[in-house]
This record gives sequence, structure tokens and C-alpha cells, in this order.
Amino acid sequence: DAGITQSPRHKVTETGTPVTLRCHQTENHRYMYWYRQDPGHGLRLIHYSYGVKDTDKGEVSDGYSVSRSKTEDFLLTLESATSSQTSVYFCAISVTSYEQYFGPGTRLTVT
Amino acid sequence: GENVEQHPSTLSVQEGDSAVIKCTYSDSASNYFPWYKQELGKGPQLIIDIRSNVGEKKDQRIAVTLNKTAKHFSLHITETQPEDSAVYFCAALFGNEKLTFGTGTRLTIIP
Repeated sequence: DAGITQSPRHKVTETGTPVTLRCHQTENHRYMYWYRQDPGHGLRLIHYSYGVKDTDKGEVSDGYSVSRSKTEDFLLTLESATSSQTSVYFCAISVTSYEQYFGPGTRLTVT
Repeated sequence: GENVEQHPSTLSVQEGDSAVIKCTYSDSASNYFPWYKQELGKGPQLIIDIRSNVGEKKDQRIAVTLNKTAKHFSLHITETQPEDSAVYFCAALFGNEKLTFGTGTRLTIIP
């Protein structure tokens, strides 16, 4: 998986609790992305980063925040999880924003 | 907004036959079109991509064609094998930084 790890790999949490997902890369790539994958929707971009402390919104950013204080780590936070945020979350990295390489994913269930 | 449509949603072919998956995109400024293969429980894997300055690209049994005038591109898999069974996603790059994905095609190779 191109030097990308995601943690945790599985998580079950309750509605209203905060959740943070971590993406870690060993490739020193500039770009990092968070996507969610849901049946019938493919992959949808939540947020992305084009450098340390440089982030921008994607298609489905409401309810999510991100932070990138180091090149290798990109954190996705759900401030107050809702059932609609039950999904599989994928991190991706890229040198130039073209070829993107994906991590193994985190399955999040909000009960 | 940016949109990528992918067809068909499911496809079954006999082993050894060819498979074709088609995508259309909305933004004529898009210049990069990757294809991903996703196996069960794994992250999407980049298998081939094409940029707007070429019309076709091949890599062994897989090829991608691009028609910029009609704004569509296709994935062709020849001599299909059981290990080709997976979900395939097309994508298009918008604004030089964001990929928009199609909704996926589940390809099943019948032995």
C-alpha cells in the first residue's frame, strides 16, 4: 500500500462522540487526501492537504476537520460523530496530485 | 459541479473474453484520467492512467482510450482471467488537484 498506514483499521463509536483517524506515510509525498467510500457513491473527497498546515475542502467536508502538522501525518476528525458518517475511510498520497496511492482503509461504524 | 459517470455498474464476462468499462466526464478542462482496481477489503490500486495529450495507452492486457471531444474514456481488459474480478473505478482530475470518481463497476470473470 505504497508506504501508507491508517489507524485504527476498525472502530465502533457512539453518536455524539469525537473520533480521530490517522494517516501516516513514509514516502514524503506532498499531497495527502481523505476519502469516504459508500455503496452507490464510489469514493468522495472529504479534505486534502497540499503541504504542512495547508488544507482545503473536498466534496463532502461538512462535519469533518483535518490537520497536518508534519509531512508524514494527516489526521481526520469527526467532532461529533453521526450515523451518516458510518463509512469506510481511505487516505491517499501523491507527489504531484496526479497519481494517487491509497491506504488500506478504516471501517468506522457510528451507533 | 464536477461529475463522472461510469457504466455499467456490473459486468460479467467469460474467462478469456474482453471487458470494456466506459466513463464520461463533465469538465472539458480535465487533463488526467486514472483507473483503479479494488479487491475486497483493500484500498483502490492504480492500474493505468492517461493524460489528455494522448488518445490511448496500453499496459500488457489493459488499455485506456480517451476521446476528449466527446468527453469520455474507456478501460479495456483483454484475455480476462479470474484474478481480474474486482471493482473498477474511473476518475477525472478537476482543478489540477481533486479527483472525482465514478461509482464503480463490479467485474466478474466466469471460469
